[in-house]
Amino acid sequence: GENVEQHPSTLSVQEGDSAVIKCTYSDSASNYFPWYKQELGKRPQLIIDIRSNVGEKKDQRIAVTLNKTAKHFSLHITETQPEDSAVYFCAASIQGAQKLVFGQGTRLTINP
Amino acid sequence: DAGVTQSPTHLIKTRGQQVTLRCSPKSGHDTVSWYQQALGQGPQFIFQYYEEEERQRGNFPDRFSGHQFPNYSSELNVNALLLGDSALYLCASSSGTGTTFGSGTRLTVV
Repeated sequence: GENVEQHPSTLSVQEGDSAVIKCTYSDSASNYFPWYKQELGKRPQLIIDIRSNVGEKKDQRIAVTLNKTAKHFSLHITETQPEDSAVYFCAASIQGAQKLVFGQGTRLTINP
Repeated sequence: DAGVTQSPTHLIKTRGQQVTLRCSPKSGHDTVSWYQQALGQGPQFIFQYYEEEERQRGNFPDRFSGHQFPNYSSELNVNALLLGDSALYLCASSSGTGTTFGSGTRLTVV
């Protein structure tokens, strides 16, 4: 079955700097890759997603890149702000099947 | 537009007991999935329901069972609770366009 590896497990950056989180997946049939942000005690919230027919997608300060050949995808956050501090999860699925396989999570801390 | 609602929010049970968790999907969503999130871990897929049938199942024992009702709401049942079942249980509803999570039920087994 699908396996998703996420790195790093913790990341600390200065406010205003960029943060990058990387994930790899094992099942070449996976074609949908969402990223979720989870604040303490709250639900995972979708922040951005990408489908396998696209190499990059951007939404304001957040971007995701996908390399299908290498089976890895990355989340990029620019101009980080204190409210970006949270745990971020990557996931992979076969669109239509809708079962999500999650990475282990990255705890991002933005230092003022 | 109501999102995904789960009840109860917190629950404490004793080892060996049984528990039922409930979920109402987001309006317009017909598929409900359940995930278990242990502390400090990513959510793990338990199973998924569509048209009142279990469509997919993750690597969880038969102690975990579920049901979907005609109005798309769903229940997760766990029998013979173990200490290791303590976790946040997340319900997620989806249609063809995306998945929305509820806030979860925090289950503590003592």
